[in-house]
Amino acid sequence: GESVGLHLPTLSVQEGDNSIINCAYSNSASDYFIWYKQESGKGPQFIIDIRSNMDKRQGQRVTVLLNKTVKHLSLQIAATQPGDSAVYFCAENRAGNQFYFGTGTSLTVIP
Amino acid sequence: GAGVSQSPSNKVTEKGKDVELRCDPISGHTALYWYRQSLGQGLEFLIYFQGNSAPDKSGLPSDRFSAERTGGSVSTLTIQRTQQEDSAVYLCASSLAGRGHTYEQYFGPGTRLTVT
Repeated sequence: GESVGLHLPTLSVQEGDNSIINCAYSNSASDYFIWYKQESGKGPQFIIDIRSNMDKRQGQRVTVLLNKTVKHLSLQIAATQPGDSAVYFCAENRAGNQFYFGTGTSLTVIP
Repeated sequence: GAGVSQSPSNKVTEKGKDVELRCDPISGHTALYWYRQSLGQGLEFLIYFQGNSAPDKSGLPSDRFSAERTGGSVSTLTIQRTQQEDSAVYLCASSLAGRGHTYEQYFGPGTRLTVT
């Protein structure tokens, strides 16, 4: 399944499928991006980051893709598991150490 | 090691009262952030502290909001004359900041503020 931007705040996928969560950012000067996972009742937890001099970065089961031309960021989760159910936020660093967070996408994994 | 801690975890207050929210960052982290998260919303930046530099207060929504960081460690966010629209989860995060260092922010569990 795939969510488009931050205007579709929910995404449901079957366990084992791949998930793609998208994020559009607004400031072309933003040079650093982070994806966070937030489980219910907890603070956000760092997943993966990427700098603007890269277009792809991989972690454990996660890949972040950055398209600076269209100011678009995506998070791909391979073999989605029930424990991946959470709200996912992208954050952009526009200047200094300020970060701006998107509204988030709620991912539900169906067993 | 210990992460970021916040207290109280929940706070219910009457409209018009003042509240203080506390954040204990990770030891050695020079940067400290406060965010506000309303129900079902993203994080709204409030204020940023970096070492001994003047804080970046550009995100504070009104002059009823203030924050301080004593000794470069513990921070307190104060909301005066609380309003119902102040009800939200207030999150604190700390990081090793500065160009060339990781920007990863470690978040506390938040304080849920309810103004009745």
